[in-house]
Amino acid sequence: AQSVTQPDIHITVSEGASLELRCNYSYGATPYLFWYVQSPGQGLQLLLKYFSGDTLVQGIKGFEAEFKRSQSSFNLRKPSVHWSDAAEYFCAVGAIYKLSFGAGTTVTVRA
Amino acid sequence: DAGVIQSPRHEVTEMGQEVTLRCKPISGHNSLFWYRQTMMRGLELLIYFNNNVPIDDSGMPEDRFSAKMPNASFSTLKIQPSEPRDSAVYFCASSLDRTRGEQFFGPGTRLTVL
Repeated sequence: AQSVTQPDIHITVSEGASLELRCNYSYGATPYLFWYVQSPGQGLQLLLKYFSGDTLVQGIKGFEAEFKRSQSSFNLRKPSVHWSDAAEYFCAVGAIYKLSFGAGTTVTVRA
Repeated sequence: DAGVIQSPRHEVTEMGQEVTLRCKPISGHNSLFWYRQTMMRGLELLIYFNNNVPIDDSGMPEDRFSAKMPNASFSTLKIQPSEPRDSAVYFCASSLDRTRGEQFFGPGTRLTVL
């Protein structure tokens, strides 16, 4: 069975500070991994994805994520947060069509 | 390019009424998904269509829920009769098979059943 754990329900970060969101997964084979962002009242937007190859992947809006097979993790990072990054972030694992989403991490950005 | 289009964006109805949610996937995409998002259960896959055929409906909660995809550019999710516990945000998403799971989400329909 596949599952995703996002240990942090809510993170508050100052504008300009770095951000790291944790994601741990359980999957029986080589996973396809995704990070999505959801702004209030909006649908989910894909930030980045990992299928294979380089374990450090770059996404949109200055985000990156690193796949660590030994730790079953796919943590999301951004070096300098902007106020517009305040949103809910979802990690997902799966393949073909069956995605399992984590519960999400809400990010609050303070001035 | 137009993304996934959903209507209505908001729906308020009374218990027992029929509710129909609509979705237009991205042109050229051949996979379509319906999800439900609640605080308690997060994002749940309800049903998955590929080339207009339902492939996996194991997430449909019960017989009150039904979904159709009569053609490649339109899908509906119907709840009849609706109940207060159906209140949630319902998302439609679409994808191309060859993108290996990358799904594009619509803005969602917020359903409130009184």
